Amino acid sequence: KQEVTQIPAALSVPEGENLVLNCSFTDSAIYNLQWFRQDPGKGLTSLLLIQSSQREQTSGRLNASLDKSSGRSTLYIAASQPGDSATYLCAVSQGGSEKLVFGKGTKLTVNP
Amino acid sequence: DAGITQSPRHKVTETGTPVTLRCHQTENHRYMYWYRQDPGHGLRLIHYSYGVKDTDKGEVSDGYSVSRSKTEDFLLTLESATSSQTSVYFCAISEYPPLARQETQYFGPGTRLLVL
Repeated sequence: KQEVTQIPAALSVPEGENLVLNCSFTDSAIYNLQWFRQDPGKGLTSLLLIQSSQREQTSGRLNASLDKSSGRSTLYIAASQPGDSATYLCAVSQGGSEKLVFGKGTKLTVNP
Repeated sequence: DAGITQSPRHKVTETGTPVTLRCHQTENHRYMYWYRQDPGHGLRLIHYSYGVKDTDKGEVSDGYSVSRSKTEDFLLTLESATSSQTSVYFCAISEYPPLARQETQYFGPGTRLLVL
């Protein structure tokens, strides 16, 4: 059974800092990995999708990497801003299973 | 934002009563999903649909049923609500099948359900 773990569960940083969020998964037979953002009381918004054949994806100040063999992904946020404060979730889409498996998320707080 | 609405947005009900949550989309996407989100568990799939009248179970389907009679609507019914079903329920849609490499899901705003 696929398990997705995100460490740390919560992170607080000062504005302007570069930071890394971690995601690990137990079964490397994935089709893709996605990073989502969730604001309090809201639904999830897809940030980046990395296909299994890719190593990384970039969008603005966000860069996500994928190392399938080691079962790890990182989300790098450059020059963090208070508006980046949210919970970040990663999810994997696995072959043979028609569903996304989500981690529990990392709650990020960026202090002005 | 993808055109997804959920109704009601908040509901309080009593144990043993039936409850129906509605998800409505304007994107004409084929795939629709119901998740629940609980502290300590993250998001878990309840049921999903891959077309009108085509549905299947997720990992936490006990006590829930779904129906999809039109492309745009996916209904989740709690047949006899229990306190363990107190949760935040999210609907999601996607254009591509779940195993497609480019698949991403778009989420609705959620429904907060409290079962007393």
